[in-house]
Amino acid sequence: DQQVKQNSPSLSVQEGRISILNCDYTNSMFDYFLWYKKYPAEGPTFLISISSIKDKNEDGRFTVFLNKSAKHLSLHIVPSQPGDSAVYFCAASARLTGGGNKLTFGTGTQLKVEL
Amino acid sequence: ETGVTQTPRHLVMGMTNKKSLKCEQHLGHNAMYWYKQSAKKPLELMFVYSLEERVENNSVPSRFSPECPNSSHLFLHLHTLQPEDSALYLCASSQDGTGTYEQYFGPGTRLTVT
Repeated sequence: DQQVKQNSPSLSVQEGRISILNCDYTNSMFDYFLWYKKYPAEGPTFLISISSIKDKNEDGRFTVFLNKSAKHLSLHIVPSQPGDSAVYFCAASARLTGGGNKLTFGTGTQLKVEL
Repeated sequence: ETGVTQTPRHLVMGMTNKKSLKCEQHLGHNAMYWYKQSAKKPLELMFVYSLEERVENNSVPSRFSPECPNSSHLFLHLHTLQPEDSALYLCASSQDGTGTYEQYFGPGTRLTVT
């Protein structure tokens, strides 16, 4: 049972346009959501996050939107740049009783920004 | 060294071998994690250590044995693995108790079991 889903395995966007990556989740207990970017042969790099009590968080070209009623979040990148080409993972966080937090990841969306 | 480092980056081992993966974090964090990423599957949490105590074992087979000797180091000891254990193994760390939830990942160890 996949609790975090990214239904688009790939997305192609022209340079300068907006990239919109989507993510759906099923567990209402998640209290924090994160986006990671991953290049080949590297580990995932943290990009931006949002608390479950907010509906929007912005950091430069990156904005994350959260719709709790729909259990849906999206990452907007504008303007898109060729260096943004990577795999983007959505992750949902739940606190652990003993400390730390458990991240549940989606399967990722391969973004390609074309010139 | 900065961030989270992992060694080795690549490992090929037979099913009867014993090997260890090493992770070191240079971020001053107090929680460390092991994840597994198999082909076509999402990252799966394996183990969580908080303040050097194991707080989560995500139904991982006993042929994987973690060790956290201090807050900066994390090991994953491997023995009698199966070919289906071939995957990318990622280590991460975070700072618990600050209200932030970000985990920072190392580059991973690509493991092949023959």
